[in-house]
Amino acid sequence: RKEVEQDPGPFNVPEGATVAFNCTYSNSASQSFFWYRQDCRKEPKLLMSVYSSGNEDGRFTAQLNRASQYISLLIRDSKLSDSATYLCVVTLPLSSGSARQLTFGSGTQLTVLP
Amino acid sequence: EAQVTQNPRYLITVTGKKLTVTCSQNMNHEYMSWYRQDPGLGLRQIYYSMNVEVTDKGDVPEGYKVSRKEKRNFPLILESPSPNQTSLYFCASSISGGAFSYNEQFFGPGTRLTVL
Repeated sequence: RKEVEQDPGPFNVPEGATVAFNCTYSNSASQSFFWYRQDCRKEPKLLMSVYSSGNEDGRFTAQLNRASQYISLLIRDSKLSDSATYLCVVTLPLSSGSARQLTFGSGTQLTVLP
Repeated sequence: EAQVTQNPRYLITVTGKKLTVTCSQNMNHEYMSWYRQDPGLGLRQIYYSMNVEVTDKGDVPEGYKVSRKEKRNFPLILESPSPNQTSLYFCASSISGGAFSYNEQFFGPGTRLTVL
């Protein structure tokens, strides 16, 4: 079983639609959580961190469910410019305690259609 | 402009010919890391560095070496490249790599390596 699993998609949605992605993680000791966005053949960029209480940034809402070990990303009123691959990232503290290991999901591909 | 730079951006080489991919950041970040990205496998960490002269293995370190002699630079060395190291490589940095941090990772533009 992969440490971080995402539905690879692709998700093809019309402009204006609401779309949700889930990501599950296997290690209950995971400490911090993120969604990164990666455009085709470009570097990943931070979209938003995911906090225990859930958080919102404009059209984007992220939620964390520690009991079920998943995080979610909701995109409302999707735009053409939202087309990208969305990467779920989970961190674990290493045994040393002084560093962390980032584990990336394989990504979910989103295409917003006009 | 705050950024992470990598060179070269594209490289085609042959098996066994030593190569170095450079990475440099101008943000005074302590933490730097190398990843490789392969279809269906996502980004996997190769090596990371918590600070100058402090490096450690990630998930897939075999066949790679790194060094951190200066804070801004973190080169990736392939002593004897093989075709299974054909991949897209990203360097990244963050303010620190503390165990419980929510620090953002800033990525370089990527280096596409092909080993024939």
